[in-house]
Amino acid sequence: DIQMTQSPSSLSASVGDRVTITCRASQTISSFLNWYQQKPGKAPQLLTYAASTLQTGVPSRFSGSRSGTDFTLTISSLQAEDSATYYCQQSYSLSRTFGQGTKVEIK
Amino acid sequence: QVRLQQSGPGLVKPSQTLSLTCAISGDSVSSKGAAWNWIRQSPSRGLEWLGKTYYRSKWYNDYAVSVKSRITINPDISKNQFSLQLNSVTPDDTAVYYCARGLAASSYGMDVWGQGSTVTVSS
Repeated sequence: DIQMTQSPSSLSASVGDRVTITCRASQTISSFLNWYQQKPGKAPQLLTYAASTLQTGVPSRFSGSRSGTDFTLTISSLQAEDSATYYCQQSYSLSRTFGQGTKVEIK
Repeated sequence: QVRLQQSGPGLVKPSQTLSLTCAISGDSVSSKGAAWNWIRQSPSRGLEWLGKTYYRSKWYNDYAVSVKSRITINPDISKNQFSLQLNSVTPDDTAVYYCARGLAASSYGMDVWGQGSTVTVSS
């Protein structure tokens, strides 16, 4: 199975800050990388797919990028409603895998 | 608008079979542009993908190695739904279970999710 390693596991930032979350794949996954946001008691919600394409309806402060097997989710200006756990997930192999999650808290 | 509605028991005894169903509205389980997934979430395992079923001129299934010997995912074309069966469950299978659609047009990102089903394995 392809392993997905996220960092950091948690972070605390202020409203308006730029926040970056990283996900590293254990082997090449091309650009088959998706990011999700999950709030407590809710199902995950797709934010970006194909590494950098924003899902319809997602605010433009969210963006994704790729460098080899390293992927980044950036929130350009953190808002209070962005407090959540974020997960990466690869859809390159027939067997999908998720990262372990990054919890984002607001200071 | 696509919706996924999950159903099934919330309590299963150890060694028995966990069964859940995901009813689809607004799309077809036979769609050649989609894959229908089961995922579970627990504090110890995080988000764990379990498997998927999809139709590409014939039916295919892919399963996670961790559950491959115990899992079956079946489409039901007549009811436009798909199901999860997990055999020989243990307390370690206690989790919130989700169904989700993966869309080819979005690189198989899972864009629609069911509401989640809390399943407890206990005698």
